[in-house]
Amino acid sequence: LAKTTQPISMDSYEGQEVNITCSHNNIATNDYITWYQQFPSQGPRFIIQGYKTKVTNEVASLFIPADRKSSTLSLPRVSLSDTAVYYCLVSNSGYALNFGKGTSLLVTP
Amino acid sequence: GAGVSQSPSNKVTEKGKDVELRCDPISGHTALYWYRQSLGQGLEFLIYFQGNSAPDKSGLPSDRFSAERTGGSVSTLTIQRTQQEDSAVYLCASSLGSGSGANVLTFGAGSRLTVL
Repeated sequence: LAKTTQPISMDSYEGQEVNITCSHNNIATNDYITWYQQFPSQGPRFIIQGYKTKVTNEVASLFIPADRKSSTLSLPRVSLSDTAVYYCLVSNSGYALNFGKGTSLLVTP
Repeated sequence: GAGVSQSPSNKVTEKGKDVELRCDPISGHTALYWYRQSLGQGLEFLIYFQGNSAPDKSGLPSDRFSAERTGGSVSTLTIQRTQQEDSAVYLCASSLGSGSGANVLTFGAGSRLTVL
């Protein structure tokens, strides 16, 4: 399974765009990149998934360069409610998905 | 069901007692996962089921932990002779078994276990 590396924590002000980058140097050809969000006292929630280039949904965008060795989750105009832990996962089968410690994002006024 | 259901939501037990935690996954999801999350920590993988089989039990912390899944649906995580270090939130998730959907896990609300 591809190992991922992401920052432990990030801070932002309300209204700013936040970009969280995840490194996955040994990603396999058939691996997908998936991001989750976790609020305190809740289970993680799926945000977005991609294979290559750019994916956008109503919550976020995911940018994946051609070599796929990293990915960037972009949250436009964050609000206080975006304060959460964000996890980057790389896998092709869901097998033993390792969530790691994630990136703790704190949004302040 | 519409989502992943876990029970009990909270369980307080005495050291040395056995506990059972139940997970009812989304209908049609062939893959089922158990994770554990201690206070302020990340998710710790415990076990993964594909159908009723558990191809990966590598995360179970000790032989006091066991899990089963019957009928490709409901799963039970059993902890025998509980210890205080077992106190955590136990999260269950399910997903489609293959393709891109295999990585899209839907989590339950968790079972908070406190061992006194």
